Amino acid sequence: EEQLVESGGGLVQPGGSLRLSCAASGITFSSYWMHWVRQAPGKGLVWVSRINSDSTSTIYADSVKGRFTISRDNANNMVYLQMNSLRVEDTAVYYCATGLGNYYDYWGQGTLVAVSS
Amino acid sequence: QSALTQPRSVSGSPGQSVTISCTGTSSDVGGYNYVSWYQQHPGKAPKVMIYDVSKRPSGVPDRFSGSKSGNTASLTISGLQAEDEADYYCFSYAGPYAWVFGGGTKLTVL
Repeated sequence: EEQLVESGGGLVQPGGSLRLSCAASGITFSSYWMHWVRQAPGKGLVWVSRINSDSTSTIYADSVKGRFTISRDNANNMVYLQMNSLRVEDTAVYYCATGLGNYYDYWGQGTLVAVSS
Repeated sequence: QSALTQPRSVSGSPGQSVTISCTGTSSDVGGYNYVSWYQQHPGKAPKVMIYDVSKRPSGVPDRFSGSKSGNTASLTISGLQAEDEADYYCFSYAGPYAWVFGGGTKLTVL
């Protein structure tokens, strides 16, 4: 069974850092581009970042560019999101998501990041 | 990277049909046949209902259909059922450096 499981969320102060992890199973991980998507409380889905299958290409939404870094470990079927200089407006549930086309077949359950003093 | 435009809410009675629109630009919706639609129930992860404008994943009822004209994509749900009540999001490829979601539409089944 295909599964994505996020971890690493929590409460952090503005300006702080957090590293999210996403463990994949049941898929040929190295074949999939991996994405992070976030959803602020009561708000809509927002695309955050994407990494290609061999880590040679990463892209980011303007709102996180220069502060967030996506990476992956194909040997261990993991994708990460390093979040630095966190702002109150980064508060959201963060999902990892993937699919073989330009859409998402699989989603994790999400991990909550709360940025507050 | 502006969000695609969706109506904030739509509603319909059981058995009726509803259509949710998703308006973008020639740089996203209009430029590629890579529009997908997601259903999200409260507290749950989204689920793909339509991909590549009009394709339906296995297991999704054929009551769900998608289309596109110019810069506007549409999701139509026919034969509304109570379990269709959820939030719906469109999503589009926007070139090699971006993807973009719509703002979301809350579907109420009356």
